[in-house]
Amino acid sequence: EIVLTQSPGTLSLSPGERATLSCRASQSISSTYLAWYQQKPGQAPRLLIYGASTRATGIPDRFSGSGSGTDFTLTISRLEPEDFAVYYCQQYGSSPPYTFGQGTKLEIK
Amino acid sequence: EVQLVESGGGLVQPGGSLRLSCAASGFTVNSNYMSWVRQLPGKGLEWVSVIYTAGSTYYADSVKGRFTISRDNSKNTVYLQMNSLRPEDTALYYCAGVDSSGWYCFDYWGQGTLVTVSS
Repeated sequence: EIVLTQSPGTLSLSPGERATLSCRASQSISSTYLAWYQQKPGQAPRLLIYGASTRATGIPDRFSGSGSGTDFTLTISRLEPEDFAVYYCQQYGSSPPYTFGQGTKLEIK
Repeated sequence: EVQLVESGGGLVQPGGSLRLSCAASGFTVNSNYMSWVRQLPGKGLEWVSVIYTAGSTYYADSVKGRFTISRDNSKNTVYLQMNSLRPEDTALYYCAGVDSSGWYCFDYWGQGTLVTVSS
């Protein structure tokens, strides 16, 4: 089973700052199968990035994804107030076919 | 516009059963991969089950043998039959559409239905 470990657990930043969130896989995965989601309190998750670096429909270009192999990154270039939320990475593999990281909470400093 | 609406959650005693439903609109369940993802209270996301267009199904080890995913094409609805429920199954259960073009990400989500397993 591939385990995704996200860091940090909590990230405290101010609006306008740059956020860098990490997702590390326990073994190499195809970047095709790495996605990022945003979840705000009381809401369902929303797809942000798929294929490690492709923004989903309607996602602002301040969100970007990168990485390959075991190390992947979600970057938010300039934080807006609405960006403070919990972020999850997710991979598709063999058994089990889908796994999520434990999440990074992005909070206002 | 794609909409996924879950229903069927509630309070059930340990060992009991529930059937969750996910009614889709703007989206055809038998032409897409459909999945259930749960979120334990205050915790992260856990994939539960998936049904592919060909009908093959897969389950997380934690629910294998107890949960069954299925779909009714005439009702455009996906189901999750949950038997032998345990307190650790208490969670918000989301229905999600899985991209079937090769990315295998969850591109559509419902709002969730809450399942509470307690005596």
